[in-house]
Amino acid sequence: EPEVTQTPSHQVTQMGQEVILRCVPISNHLYFYWYRQILGQKVEFLVSFYNNEISEKSEIFDDQFSVERPDGSNFTLKIRSTKLEDSAMYFCASSEVDSLRDTQYFGPGTRLTVL
Amino acid sequence: GQQLNQSPQSMFIQEGEDVSMNCTSSSIFNTWLWYKQDPGEGPVLLIALYKAGELTSNGRLTAQFGITRKDSFLNISASIPSDVGIYFCAGAYTDSWGKLQFGAGTQVVVTP
Repeated sequence: EPEVTQTPSHQVTQMGQEVILRCVPISNHLYFYWYRQILGQKVEFLVSFYNNEISEKSEIFDDQFSVERPDGSNFTLKIRSTKLEDSAMYFCASSEVDSLRDTQYFGPGTRLTVL
Repeated sequence: GQQLNQSPQSMFIQEGEDVSMNCTSSSIFNTWLWYKQDPGEGPVLLIALYKAGELTSNGRLTAQFGITRKDSFLNISASIPSDVGIYFCAGAYTDSWGKLQFGAGTQVVVTP
């Protein structure tokens, strides 16, 4: 069964460093998302992406964050200058077509630890 | 702002018992989804609901999209040890461009 994959599974970085989290969405999906989950808390929406541009973003997704689809298979989240409070699980998700864009399939996540 | 409340926060049940949890929203949802999350893993989609009143089953799981479009419940019948995990409801508003709003989760613990 097709699935969303994410790399790395765990990233440790120093405060102020840039990180890039990578995702490979399900191959025929058109909509892509990033969410984060701080330890012990609920999953929070960051950004949705369609047709090579951001569709919607949350208040969390400030100028330090950016997303890109550099090729036909990868979808990345970049944090330019990490802060301690960016430590969280980051989940990529994808969905198929417009009528089912809310039916999202999640990857296993990248645990980001900022020291 | 929009509020999404999930209850109960946790449940401790014996194997074989049924489990029920629900979510309510302060606003109307277009879609209700139920996910299960195991420790250190991503949410796994269990059931998706698209219409008010819709009742959908997936094995021992049954979920309903409330008539008012502001609530949903998930039932697990005849629980087994592998049902252990955190169950999340999630919903999307009209024209939300896939912005899912998640509940706080229900931790289910099943004892033999």
